[in-house]
Amino acid sequence: QVQLQESGPGLVRPSETLSLTCTVSGGSMNSHFWAWIRQSPGKGLEYLGSIYSNGITNYNPSLKSRVTISLDTSKNQFSLRLRSVTAADTAVYFCARDGISGVFAMDVWGQGTTVTVSS
Amino acid sequence: EIVLTQSPGTLSLSPGERATLSCRASQTVSPMHLAWYHQKPGQPPRLLIYGTSNRATGIPDRFSGSGSGTDFTLTISRLEPEDFAVYYCQQYGSSAMYTFGQGTKLEI
Repeated sequence: QVQLQESGPGLVRPSETLSLTCTVSGGSMNSHFWAWIRQSPGKGLEYLGSIYSNGITNYNPSLKSRVTISLDTSKNQFSLRLRSVTAADTAVYFCARDGISGVFAMDVWGQGTTVTVSS
Repeated sequence: EIVLTQSPGTLSLSPGERATLSCRASQTVSPMHLAWYHQKPGQPPRLLIYGTSNRATGIPDRFSGSGSGTDFTLTISRLEPEDFAVYYCQQYGSSAMYTFGQGTKLEI
């Protein structure tokens, strides 16, 4: 059974870069998309982007200039970098498996990690 | 970007009753691209329905989805205590992007 676990700093200073890693266990990363989603009281659930197991990425256009998602299949991990953060980026960040073939939805989620942007 | 509007905002029902939750899209959504989740406090969302009407693995058959075009519905035939949660619809659309509704809180 595939499980996901987010890790990274819980506090990031304004204007700096938020960096999170998701570790995948219990299954292969091959032939799947892997996604980052965040949830804040003000904006609800917001899709940040996905990466396929061959490295192809897809980003939310509203965040595209600040987001990078990368992959390290040797470590069974994928990562999120969000640059130039502000208080509006304070949220719970989830990693998820972006659906198996024909399933346009997130079928496995990590527990989420809270990130606060504050000086 | 397609906007999903869920109604009602809060639905107050009792165990054993039937729940009907609505999700309306600002543009036509392919039936393949509409999904439903629920979320309990402190937990991540859990996928219930994908492709408008397909139950995800392990989801009981009291959950059903329907709809087409811009109007979609999640029905819970007989509410169990564990069904009280926040429910979200989600669509996959242009620019290969997902968007979510604002949620319906199902409360006792």
